Amino acid sequence: NAGVTQTPKFQVLKTGQSMTLQCAQDMNHEYMSWYRQDPGMGLRLIHYSVGAGITDQGEVPNGYNVSRSTTEDFPLRLLSAAPSQTSVYFCASSWALGELFFGEGSRLTVL
Amino acid sequence: SQQGEEDPQALSIQEGENATMNCSYKTSINNLQWYRQNSGRGLVHLILIRSNEREKHSGRLRVTLDTSKKSSSLLITASRAADTASYFCAMYFGNEKLTFGTGTRLTIIP
Repeated sequence: NAGVTQTPKFQVLKTGQSMTLQCAQDMNHEYMSWYRQDPGMGLRLIHYSVGAGITDQGEVPNGYNVSRSTTEDFPLRLLSAAPSQTSVYFCASSWALGELFFGEGSRLTVL
Repeated sequence: SQQGEEDPQALSIQEGENATMNCSYKTSINNLQWYRQNSGRGLVHLILIRSNEREKHSGRLRVTLDTSKKSSSLLITASRAADTASYFCAMYFGNEKLTFGTGTRLTIIP
């Protein structure tokens, strides 16, 4: 049972490049979400999904896209990377109103 | 903006002492959860308390919730070096989004 798997673990991008952070869960959870964590800021919600085909914006959605074509996968796309998007990104999944299960994180640096 | 705040931001105690962290929030919640994060790792769920509960225990952890004051506290008793981590409260304000506090960095001194 892998839980929540994020890839890649580390990535360096140049300003303006695009990339996709992958997230997959094998617990059949309805809810999936993406957070970013910056020093002293805690975790801030980027986008979330309450089921396949349904996504919504969180607190800091600008510059990011998501889609949820299957229950298992919830990729996060950076359309045109900016230095302000340098952060650690966490994917999580859960049942409704339940505890979140987190991936190990993806550390992104934008130069 | 984040709707949960924790204090203190950092806490250092001797091994064996108790550690207390507090969380305050602004609007009504469905439930409140506490998570631990070891350096550089993903967050791990510790305990969930519902809005109609006042206290909950799990091993050495004790969580209280005061909805009239919009606050919660996490008590770790008989601390160990392995408890060194950052601790976050998180709240469901509606049904869909879990919002995190700013965290408390706990250091246990052997």
